[in-house]
Amino acid sequence: AQTVTQSQPEMSVQEAETVTLSCTYDTSESDYYLFWYKQPPSRQMILVIRQEAYKQQNATENRFSVNFQKAAKSFSLKISDSQLGDAAMYFCAYRTRLGRVSNSGYALNFGKGTSLLVTP
Amino acid sequence: NAGVTQTPKFQVLKTGQSMTLQCAQDMNHEYMSWYRQDPGMGLRLIHYSVGAGITDQGEVPNGYNVSRSTTEDFPLRLLSAAPSQTSVYFCASRTGQGRQETQYFGPGTRLLVL
Repeated sequence: AQTVTQSQPEMSVQEAETVTLSCTYDTSESDYYLFWYKQPPSRQMILVIRQEAYKQQNATENRFSVNFQKAAKSFSLKISDSQLGDAAMYFCAYRTRLGRVSNSGYALNFGKGTSLLVTP
Repeated sequence: NAGVTQTPKFQVLKTGQSMTLQCAQDMNHEYMSWYRQDPGMGLRLIHYSVGAGITDQGEVPNGYNVSRSTTEDFPLRLLSAAPSQTSVYFCASRTGQGRQETQYFGPGTRLLVL
């Protein structure tokens, strides 16, 4: 079974600084997808960024970028120029195939999350 | 589009009661799923559906039933609520295939079982 590990329960960063959130995963698949989701106090799950394993280039979305190390099974999220609105829980997720139903879709396998605090 | 909607936002149940958590999406997505989120945990898959009339179990299905009579709706039923089912429940729907896949989450239903 695939597992996703986020080793940092909490992180803190000052406004305008850069912070990196860690994520490692375990899989025997060669083609898969990785995601970072943000969950603010409203509890809404918001997709931050996605990475396709077949792509060597790291994904970027404005101030958010990833460091994807496929051999090491590592997928960290870097937030640059941190803003107060970035404060939230951040979840790393791996997309796995469900497989028991024909034409089955995929489920997201989540880590336990990292709580990010942004200080003025 | 309203996206993925869930009702109620918050519910208190007594042990042994049954209830249905509602989920609807207006994006014509074939794939829908239910997750639960417990304190200190990520989301875990309860049940999913790949289209009307087709459902299957996820990682933690015990104590829950689902049905999918229409593309739009995917209700989650608690048959006999237990305190262990106290959690926040998220419904999600997915568009696209393969590399174009994007999953949308509802706002969540917070359930407290006494």
